Amino acid sequence: AQTVTQSQPEMSVQEAETVTLSCTYDTSENNYYLFWYKQPPSRQMILVIRQEAYKQQNATENRFSVNFQKAAKSFSLKISDSQLGDTAMYFCAFMKQYNNDMRFGAGTRLTVKP
Amino acid sequence: GAVVSQHPSWVICKSGTSVKIECRSLDFQATTMFWYRQFPKQSLMLMATSNEGSKATYEQGVEKDKFLINHASLTLSTLTVTSAHPEDSSFYICSASIRQGADSPLHFGNGTRLTVT
Repeated sequence: AQTVTQSQPEMSVQEAETVTLSCTYDTSENNYYLFWYKQPPSRQMILVIRQEAYKQQNATENRFSVNFQKAAKSFSLKISDSQLGDTAMYFCAFMKQYNNDMRFGAGTRLTVKP
Repeated sequence: GAVVSQHPSWVICKSGTSVKIECRSLDFQATTMFWYRQFPKQSLMLMATSNEGSKATYEQGVEKDKFLINHASLTLSTLTVTSAHPEDSSFYICSASIRQGADSPLHFGNGTRLTVT
């Protein structure tokens, strides 16, 4: 079974600064996908970024980037130039290659302070 | 982009009654839909996988007779909480994809907050 661990229940960052959220996972699969989702107070799940395990290059989406270390089974999210709208719960998630069965970590509550 | 509509967004029911939650893919056909449960300040826990035209696959520990899932068409899956109890109060979220495989993105509904009194 796959497990996803987020060891930081809460984090805070000053507006315009950079913050990194940690995620580790455990799997025996070789091919899989990793995701970061944002859940604001509205509870809507918003995809932030995704990474295919077979790609060595780290994914980036504007101010969001990941540090994917496959051997270490680590998948951290870096948010640059933090904005007040980034305040939300952030979930790390794992998915096998051939199904959509997504498993989530416990989440990190990020607060961006003005 | 693909839209998943979940209805109702919130519902209050009395203990012992049943409540149905709908999950619709509005602009695509979803062969697979997933139902999650989220307790306050906790993560999403997968309850079951719903495949169109076949029986749902439930995760270990989820009572299939209590949480009835029907996926009768490629655009609609329903979750019925039968004989609801206060401990069933939670936030329920569905997601849908066009096909199996992680290259087909998941689209999430806005969730349903269930309160059982």
